[in-house]
Amino acid sequence: AQKVTQAQTEISVVEKEDVTLDCVYETRDTTYYLFWYKQPPSGELVFLIRRNSFDEQNEISGRYSWNFQKSTSSFNFTITASQVVDSAVYFCALTNFGNEKLTFGTGTRLTIIP
Amino acid sequence: DVKVTQSSRYLVKRTGEKVFLECVQDMDHENMFWYRQDPGLGLRLIYFSYDVKMKEKGDIPEGYSVSREKKERFSLILESASTNQTSMYLCASSFGRGYQPQHFGDGTRLSIL
Repeated sequence: AQKVTQAQTEISVVEKEDVTLDCVYETRDTTYYLFWYKQPPSGELVFLIRRNSFDEQNEISGRYSWNFQKSTSSFNFTITASQVVDSAVYFCALTNFGNEKLTFGTGTRLTIIP
Repeated sequence: DVKVTQSSRYLVKRTGEKVFLECVQDMDHENMFWYRQDPGLGLRLIYFSYDVKMKEKGDIPEGYSVSREKKERFSLILESASTNQTSMYLCASSFGRGYQPQHFGDGTRLSIL
C-alpha cells in the first residue's frame, strides 16, 4: 500500500521568510512518481512539480525548490522569500509506474502574514 | 492550457435527491477522476475512468456512481444524497499513464440539507 504523510497541518510565516513543507512517503515500488500541487483559495489544484524515483537531483524554480531524498523517503518543498500569494493549501502526492491513481497527503495550509 | 470545467461551483440539494455533478475536459485526456475533499482528510478518490464507458472504483465509492458516455465528459451521481455527502468535489483529467500530472477543475461545493 502507498501512503503520503504531511505532518504539518498548518503553517504561518511572516512575508519574506523562508518556509519548508514536509512530505514523507511509503511505497514498495522501485519506480514511482512524486508530485506537489498548490490549492489557492479559488479551489483549483495547480500542478507544481513531478519527480521520478530515479532522479534525486534537487530542483529549483524561481523561489520554489524541492529536495528529494530516497534515503529518508522524503520530498520536501521550500519557498524562499515567501509572498502573500503563496498562501494556499499544498498537497504532496504519489503514484507508481502504470498506475493512473494518485495517493494524496492530507495537505498543509500555508498562511503568509503580510 | 488544459481546461477542466465543473458544471457548478456551489450546489444545495436535499436528502434523498438524486444529484448529478458534471465535468468536461477539453484536452482529449484518456483518464478522468472524481475526488472528494474534506478537512483533515485530503483528497480521496471516489471513481476514475481510463476510457469511454470504463470505470473503476476508488477508495470511497459507496453511495456514488459515475457515467462516461463521451471521452470529454465524466459525471458523478449521488443516487440518494445524504448529509454525510456534503463536501467539496473535485474533477481531474490526465493523459496516458499515471506519471502524467492530473489537471483539476475549480471544484463543486455540495451541501446536502
